[in-house]
Amino acid sequence: NAGVTQTPKFRVLKTGQSMTLLCAQDMNHEYMYWYRQDPGMGLRLIHYSVGEGTTAKGEVPDGYNVSRLKKQNFLLGLESAAPSQTSVYFCASSPPGLASDEQFFGPGTRLTVL
Amino acid sequence: GNSVTQMEGPVTLSEEAFLTINCTYTATGYPSLFWYVQYPGEGLQLLLKATKADDKGSNKGFEATYRKETTSFHLEKGSVQVSDSAVYFCALPSGAGTALIFGKGTTLSVSS
Repeated sequence: NAGVTQTPKFRVLKTGQSMTLLCAQDMNHEYMYWYRQDPGMGLRLIHYSVGEGTTAKGEVPDGYNVSRLKKQNFLLGLESAAPSQTSVYFCASSPPGLASDEQFFGPGTRLTVL
Repeated sequence: GNSVTQMEGPVTLSEEAFLTINCTYTATGYPSLFWYVQYPGEGLQLLLKATKADDKGSNKGFEATYRKETTSFHLEKGSVQVSDSAVYFCALPSGAGTALIFGKGTTLSVSS
């Protein structure tokens, strides 16, 4: 099992450009998440999904959109990138019943917006 | 809503020293508590968890006890190694139980 994979690993964008980050998991998990990690801020939840076809906003959703067309994939889109979106992005998945189950993380995508 | 506060870093120790990283929480009820670890260049991975009050989670020589009286879940290790150098995150479920809330992370550096 590959676990949680993220594509790409690195990306540099210019302000105003768009891109999509892909997250895939092969553990048949219901829940998937997108976080961003910034120095001194820990991890902040952008969007999450509790099942195929569903998405919900997290703590910092502005400037991002997501889609969960297939259970195993969770896409994060930036329609018009801004320098404030320079960050490391992590995808995670978990089975339902979060109270006692762990989240499994991907290796991250380092995004720089110039 | 639920929240978590962990001690600021960085923490710098010599090999074989004792480690404590403080974590306190605010929550409705008694949710599960977690410690995650992030090694350089990698994603987070679960280090240990406790699912109810007075439980002790343990893994790789690390321990943390769920203390409801002090609303704490401090991470400890009796003798750290250079390979323990990483960022450590305390976490608990959000009030809705659909996501985790993470602390800001504590960077540990261990020198030989």
